[in-house]
This record gives sequence, C-alpha cells and structure tokens, in this order.
Amino acid sequence: EAGVTQFPSHSVIEKGQTVTLRCDPISGHDNLYWYRRVMGKEIKFLLHFVKESKQDESGMPNNRFLAERTGGTYSTLKVQPAELEDSGVYFCASSQGGQGLWNTEAFFGQGTRLTVV
Amino acid sequence: AQSVTQLDSQVPVFEEAPVELRCNYSSSVSVYLFWYVQYPNQGLQLLLKYLSGSTLVESINGFEAEFNKSQTSFHLRKPSVHISDTAEYFCAVTFARQLTFGSGTQLTVLP
Repeated sequence: EAGVTQFPSHSVIEKGQTVTLRCDPISGHDNLYWYRRVMGKEIKFLLHFVKESKQDESGMPNNRFLAERTGGTYSTLKVQPAELEDSGVYFCASSQGGQGLWNTEAFFGQGTRLTVV
Repeated sequence: AQSVTQLDSQVPVFEEAPVELRCNYSSSVSVYLFWYVQYPNQGLQLLLKYLSGSTLVESINGFEAEFNKSQTSFHLRKPSVHISDTAEYFCAVTFARQLTFGSGTQLTVLP
C-alpha cells in the first residue's frame, strides 16, 4: 500500500511567485494534516482536514497560505505570493478515524523542501 | 498551552555505546507522547508511543522510552547504537488533535 506522498520533493522559487504543494494521503484516511519546519526549528502545525472540511487551521501563518482538500482526497497548499520566510520543509500526514491524533498513528510524507530566493 | 523541549540538538556517539535523547514537555492536562525518527531523505516515521498503561514503551529496533509524569519527561534510550541509527529524532505530544513537536535531536553514530 502506498504511503503518504508529496509533490514536489523540492521547489525553488523567487520571492513574489506562487507555489502549490500537493499531498496524497493514504487511501481511506479521513484526517490530513499539514506541518512546516522552518530553519531547522521545531515542526509546527499548520492545519487539519477531516475529509474535505477544515477542522483546525489555527496554525496557518497568514492569508498568503491557502489549503484545500477537494473531495476529501488529496490536498494542496498554495503560497501566494511567497516570501523569504516561507522557506522550509512542508510535511503532510494522514491518519484514520474520526478522533484525529488521540490514539491513532499519523503517517508522514517525505516533505517538500521549499526555498524562496 | 503545551510545549516540548528537546535539550540536545546534536548528539554524537560511538557505535555500540548507549545513548539517551532527552525530552521534556509541559502540559496542564494528560497527553499522549511520541517519538518520531527521520532518516536521511525519508519522511517522519513513528518510533514509539505512550498512550496509557505501562510507562516503559519499546520499539522494534531496540529503542525504549519511559514516561515520567512527575518529571514530565519522555526520554529515549538505546543500550547499544548502530551506524544505521543515525537520524534526526523528534519528541511530540498530542492533545486536542494537534501534534506538538520538539525541535529535534540529530543523533550521529560514529564508527
């Protein structure tokens, strides 16, 4: 069974451009999460989908970030326009069940390394 | 609010030596505790977790962690490390559907 896959693995863009990251969760997983790690610091929560609905988007840094999950399957995270401080590794994770991360394992993708120059 | 502190950002250790990676957390309520590992060029993988019951939990590759409620710690240990254990290790706690990570500890096993 395929794990969580993320595209692209690396992206280098100029400040002011737009970038879209994609995450394909494990089939059947209702919960999908986005996390970000900036400059080797801690991995920080961005948002949580349950199926196609945003359950919690309290970690989204500002309105330049837009996440969608069409039909409750794959998810995209768009950054428009990108700024230098957006550079980092963006992780996606998915898990089963309706209880989120209470007692079920979250499976992570390899991450997308975004560099804004 | 909850937070996770990993006191050591880098831990170099010789092969077959023991290792302890420290993790402390702060939370006003009960939490679940996890250790994740990221090998080079791979995603985060769950190493072990504490949900309830025995305070000592083990992984399949010889790591163990002990939940100490009084010290709010969840240190990761291995009695004898291998070169293949070289990776970055993240401690995490979960509450209310959010997973809060520490800043990570890079374990480098030297020959």
